Amino acid sequence: GAVVSQHPSWVICKSGTSVKIECRSLDFQATTMFWYRQFPKQSLMLMATSNEGSKATYEQGVEKDKFLINHASLTLSTLTVTSAHPEDSSFYICSARDPLAVYEQYFGPGTRLTVT
Amino acid sequence: AQSVAQPEDQVNVAEGNPLTVKCTYSVSGNPYLFWYVQYPNRGLQFLLKYITGDNLVKGSYGFEAEFNKSQTSFHLKKPSALVSDSALYFCAVRDIPGNTPLVFGKGTRLSVIA
Repeated sequence: GAVVSQHPSWVICKSGTSVKIECRSLDFQATTMFWYRQFPKQSLMLMATSNEGSKATYEQGVEKDKFLINHASLTLSTLTVTSAHPEDSSFYICSARDPLAVYEQYFGPGTRLTVT
Repeated sequence: AQSVAQPEDQVNVAEGNPLTVKCTYSVSGNPYLFWYVQYPNRGLQFLLKYITGDNLVKGSYGFEAEFNKSQTSFHLKKPSALVSDSALYFCAVRDIPGNTPLVFGKGTRLSVIA
């Protein structure tokens, strides 16, 4: 199947700093990417949907100024957590759609963010 | 709007016994159903999906799931559990293809005891 990578796999940052997480589709062009957040022992909660070349659509309750999403190319989307706080500590998972496989949604391995 | 319910937070089963992880769904149109497995600190691994056709779907690692339209269920099953099957299992649904995202259930933790 198609491969989605995320970088970094884990990151520790200090409160008040910003962290960027990259999501890449390695062998297909992803017109749409999704960002999910997972708290310990909980399900994946959709944060936002990003379409290449346009602004991301955020789910209700997700601060768009805090979680900046950029989908500048067909193989790369980035999530920047700005002015991170300890409550932003979570597991962030990106997912990408291949327009040639309409039913499929491929997931990255996730990024563990810890804010101290 | 679509939704998924996984009624069990935890399922315990002895190694070698059959296992079932339950999932029910709600969609307005035709359901496209998926099962994923997640190991600690790892991303999601795709197990199987139902799009159309045969109600019994076979997937990876010996898992299968049965689509039951009348009961709006898509339970995950395996005839003989392995200790290595212990993980977190997610059921997910989408009601139309295209750019709509998958909606996930809360997850069920499976523990297989030797």
